[in-house]
Amino acid sequence: GQQLNQSPQSMFIQEGEDVSMNCTSSSIFNTWLWYKQDPGEGPVLLIALYKAGELTSNGRLTAQFGITRKDSFLNISASIPSDVGIYFCAGQGGDTGTASKLTFGTGTRLQVTL
Amino acid sequence: NAGVTQTPKFQVLKTGQSMTLQCAQDMNHEYMSWYRQDPGMGLRLIHYSVGAGITDQGEVPNGYNVSRSTTEDFPLRLLSAAPSQTSVYFCASSYSPRTGLFFGSGTQLSVL
Repeated sequence: GQQLNQSPQSMFIQEGEDVSMNCTSSSIFNTWLWYKQDPGEGPVLLIALYKAGELTSNGRLTAQFGITRKDSFLNISASIPSDVGIYFCAGQGGDTGTASKLTFGTGTRLQVTL
Repeated sequence: NAGVTQTPKFQVLKTGQSMTLQCAQDMNHEYMSWYRQDPGMGLRLIHYSVGAGITDQGEVPNGYNVSRSTTEDFPLRLLSAAPSQTSVYFCASSYSPRTGLFFGSGTQLSVL
């Protein structure tokens, strides 16, 4: 089955730095979603994107829906220790065959050093 | 408001045993789904349901069975557990997958 490719797979950053991660697909999606997972918990929705080119912010987080509809980007500004976790992208709809499924990326593990 | 509740939190099975992972939501969501999470593989869809009485297969359905007799509950059954089914299982619900899923806290399953 299809999986979305996320990069980087993991990253160490210093507190206060900005973070960028991206997600790419061979398929077109109608919706892009970004989730964060804390250890021992289920993923929590951060941002939803519904239109190609859309740029949406949620506090220090900013995400963009790629123009080609095959990619999306997440930026975190001024990282803090509680940003530690795994970030997942997810795509819905488009040419994946059904609107009833979310396809998830492989995740980017973020670790922050003080 | 409890959200999505999964039980048990942890489970150890022997190869060949069967069991049911429970999932309940109190948000009146029509859409419910089960994912498994393995290291380096992200979340993979096992089965999903768009409403009571309607279920469909996801990406990795083999060895799992589901039913949806009520809007609130969506149990996942392992018919004959295998070591390859060792994983963390997440149940999720929403009004529509397009608006994003609400996840439970997961069940960590080990099959020996």
